[in-house]
Amino acid sequence: QKEVEQDPGPLSVPEGAIVSLNCTYSNSAFQYFMWYRQYSRKGPELLMYTYSSGNKEDGRFTAQVDKSSKYISLFIRDSQPSDSATYLCAMSFNQAGTALIFGKGTTLSVSS
Amino acid sequence: GAVVSQHPSRVICKSGTSVKIECRSLDFQATTMFWYRQFPKKSLMLMATSNEGSKATYEQGVEKDKFLINHASLTLSTLTVTSAHPEDSSFYICSARDVQRVDSPLHFGNGTRLTVT
Repeated sequence: QKEVEQDPGPLSVPEGAIVSLNCTYSNSAFQYFMWYRQYSRKGPELLMYTYSSGNKEDGRFTAQVDKSSKYISLFIRDSQPSDSATYLCAMSFNQAGTALIFGKGTTLSVSS
Repeated sequence: GAVVSQHPSRVICKSGTSVKIECRSLDFQATTMFWYRQFPKKSLMLMATSNEGSKATYEQGVEKDKFLINHASLTLSTLTVTSAHPEDSSFYICSARDVQRVDSPLHFGNGTRLTVT
């Protein structure tokens, strides 16, 4: 079993839809959880990061962490065509800035 | 926010030559930088951890003599792909965090697409 599992998609939704992206992981020692957005031929851009379990909201984005289930989610409300990208979950054992373990990424396409 | 600059963004080289990629933290100091490699439709794979003033730490399976890393200052790390071969063609991305901020997350450069012909 891989450390971090993420459905690669692709996921296609119409503009305005609510998008749910998920990752599962196997190692309960992970403490920091992040979501990155990556446009084609660009480096990943940090969207959200959370420590341990709980929710965090930033504008149209909400990140959820359920450590008991080893499951993290990213919700995008009122999705826009500009949200079309690959979304990568990532996690680490200690500080948020140490080497991260990434999921494969989910490719999202939002049509207008 | 924190900015990581990576240069060049794209490079094409001939087999057997060496290529240097630079990674700079523009508005913060980074004692540690990380180098990742990404194949098409694949996740980012950590290659090595670059430590300012000391030797880099390489992940299992990464040849340290082929991928030379130098972290000469708190704002600059370089990755040199020596004697490049076509199988080294990939997307290389560096990342860094602000050491002066507790729990600062990693910020990434825009990557370097290397093509070896």
